[in-house]
Amino acid sequence: SQTIHQWPATLVQPVGSPLSLECTVEGTSNPNLYWYRQAAGRGLQLLFYSVGIGQISSEVPQNLSASRPQDRQFILSSKKLLLSDSGFYLCAWMMGTDTQYFGPGTRLTVL
Amino acid sequence: QKEVEQDPGPLSVPEGAIVSLNCTYSNSAFQYFMWYRQYSRKGPELLMYTYSSGNKEDGRFTAQVDKSSKYISLFIRDSQPSDSATYLCAMPNNNDMRFGAGTRLTVKP
Repeated sequence: SQTIHQWPATLVQPVGSPLSLECTVEGTSNPNLYWYRQAAGRGLQLLFYSVGIGQISSEVPQNLSASRPQDRQFILSSKKLLLSDSGFYLCAWMMGTDTQYFGPGTRLTVL
Repeated sequence: QKEVEQDPGPLSVPEGAIVSLNCTYSNSAFQYFMWYRQYSRKGPELLMYTYSSGNKEDGRFTAQVDKSSKYISLFIRDSQPSDSATYLCAMPNNNDMRFGAGTRLTVKP
């Protein structure tokens, strides 16, 4: 069966500090991978998605970036965090045009 | 107009009530329809998956699709406090998914 991991679970960072969130998927090959952000009480905002190693599509211009160094690894980064980057970050995977499956999420607070 | 519209609520019902959650969509190309449940501080989990127009039952949950009206519903019978969560409708679109804003449901004992 497939499993998706995210870490860390929670993170508190000062404004201007760097960020690295990691997502890994087990039990599948060449999945599509996604990063979402969910602000408190809000819907899902798609940030990035990837259909293969090194292939990243950005949906929203911002100070965040994503990378996919391995088939089942997806990383979300920032060089300098802003207050507005606070939120709940979710990684998801999808095969073909089927369902998306989500990780447990990372709660980021920028102070 | 958003591709998927969903009333964010919040919706509060007493235990045992029948709950009706709804979404409308504008893209007639959508073929599959999902409902996700998201508990507080957790990732969304797939609850129901439907393809064709009509009803699909799974225990206390019924998903209903009306493609002619571009309208989908999720019914929860005999609602329980454990059903308190945010419910999101979703439709796959090529390599992506279109999500509703989510409806926050509270079932009071």
